[in-house]
Amino acid sequence: EAQVTQNPRYLITVTGKKLTVTCSQNMNHEYMSWYRQDPGLGLRQIYYSMNVEVTDKGDVPEGYKVSRKEKRNFPLILESPSPNQTSLYFCASSFGTPRLGYEQYFGPGTRLTVT
Amino acid sequence: AQSVTQPDIHITVSEGASLELRCNYSYGATPYLFWYVQSPGQGLQLLLKYFSGDTLVQGIKGFEAEFKRSQSSFNLRKPSVHWSDAAEYFCAVGAGLSGGGADGLTFGKGTHLIIQP
Repeated sequence: EAQVTQNPRYLITVTGKKLTVTCSQNMNHEYMSWYRQDPGLGLRQIYYSMNVEVTDKGDVPEGYKVSRKEKRNFPLILESPSPNQTSLYFCASSFGTPRLGYEQYFGPGTRLTVT
Repeated sequence: AQSVTQPDIHITVSEGASLELRCNYSYGATPYLFWYVQSPGQGLQLLLKYFSGDTLVQGIKGFEAEFKRSQSSFNLRKPSVHWSDAAEYFCAVGAGLSGGGADGLTFGKGTHLIIQP
């Protein structure tokens, strides 16, 4: 089954304790993105990747890191989490062509609470 | 930079009534537009998308949307809502250099739809 998986789905942690949220897709998509969703703010892009070893900042990259060592994986790293990073996080991969546009495939989300 | 505005934070509709959710976008070129739905505690589901061609787009669950370039709008409609349509609805535009959404989407802040019995 074609899908985007995220782990963990739920995480409660403390301020300053490094964590990684994994994201994996089995569709061989080149593009992948991370978003955070906060009430009243919708989804905002954190980082995206156009291919292996190619990443770029989205709209809210502060406090986050990413890596793309393999095509299928795009982990999100919080080196020193803070309470303002408490949020619902979505990973997505995208497929398509420049002429027809691209469709995003979203993972199920990771709910992170930082105390 | 592109942006999306959903003017209505909350909308309440009676079951069986028609629905229109508004979306306005700002983008310098031909936009690639999307509507997503998020049920409580769930992930995002794509309702429909517009890339080119016919400006009236049909989606899943009986939804449709109309692209109006002159008004920079992409409003979502449904002729008769069901209680199961209660959810959060997000409009989005393709971001980045391609505009097609390859490198991600810019989302509106969402419209919360409440269905009255």
